[in-house]
Amino acid sequence: DQQVKQNSPSLSVQEGRISILNCDYTNSMFDYFLWYKKYPAEGPTFLISISSIKDKNEDGRFTVFLNKSAKHLSLHIVPSQPGDSAVYFCAAYSSASKIIFGSGTRLSIRP
Amino acid sequence: DAGITQSPRHKVTETGTPVTLRCHQTENHRYMYWYRQDPGHGLRLIHYSYGVKDTDKGEVSDGYSVSRSKTEDFLLTLESATSSQTSVYFCAISARGDNEQFFGPGTRLTVL
Repeated sequence: DQQVKQNSPSLSVQEGRISILNCDYTNSMFDYFLWYKKYPAEGPTFLISISSIKDKNEDGRFTVFLNKSAKHLSLHIVPSQPGDSAVYFCAAYSSASKIIFGSGTRLSIRP
Repeated sequence: DAGITQSPRHKVTETGTPVTLRCHQTENHRYMYWYRQDPGHGLRLIHYSYGVKDTDKGEVSDGYSVSRSKTEDFLLTLESATSSQTSVYFCAISARGDNEQFFGPGTRLTVL
């Protein structure tokens, strides 16, 4: 049973528009949540995180929103750029389970 | 970029042979991790280490063992490789264990 789910395997967004990537989780004990970005043939790179006691964290073009009652988080990228085309992994951390990753969403930014 | 390397970067081996993957870091981070990435599964934790000679199992540890005799090196061993262990393996490091991890470039392993 997946504790962290990314239900959209792929997403296509026009350059300049907003990209919204979604993630759902089942374990209410997660302490915080992270987003990673991965290009082909490279390791994932950390993008942004949010503590479970917050509902929003912003870093430049990237904003993560956390809705604890719905056990849902989302990553917003505004405006989307060609270099944002990559696979995005949602992840959740607890001291018991360490970090658990979702299956990823492939984001494609079209001109 | 965090100083983390993996070797080899690519390996093809046969079923039943032993395989060892190496992760080396120059950041002096306490925590080190081994993950495998497979289509539809994202990254799954195999084993992790929270210090020299201190290791623990992750989500998919069966068929794998690890060793950490020095802070900078974390070895992943497949005692007898199987085709189900064909995957891309990533090593990661972190300073505190509860914060972001830095990943290596990955090792693509094919077991025939």
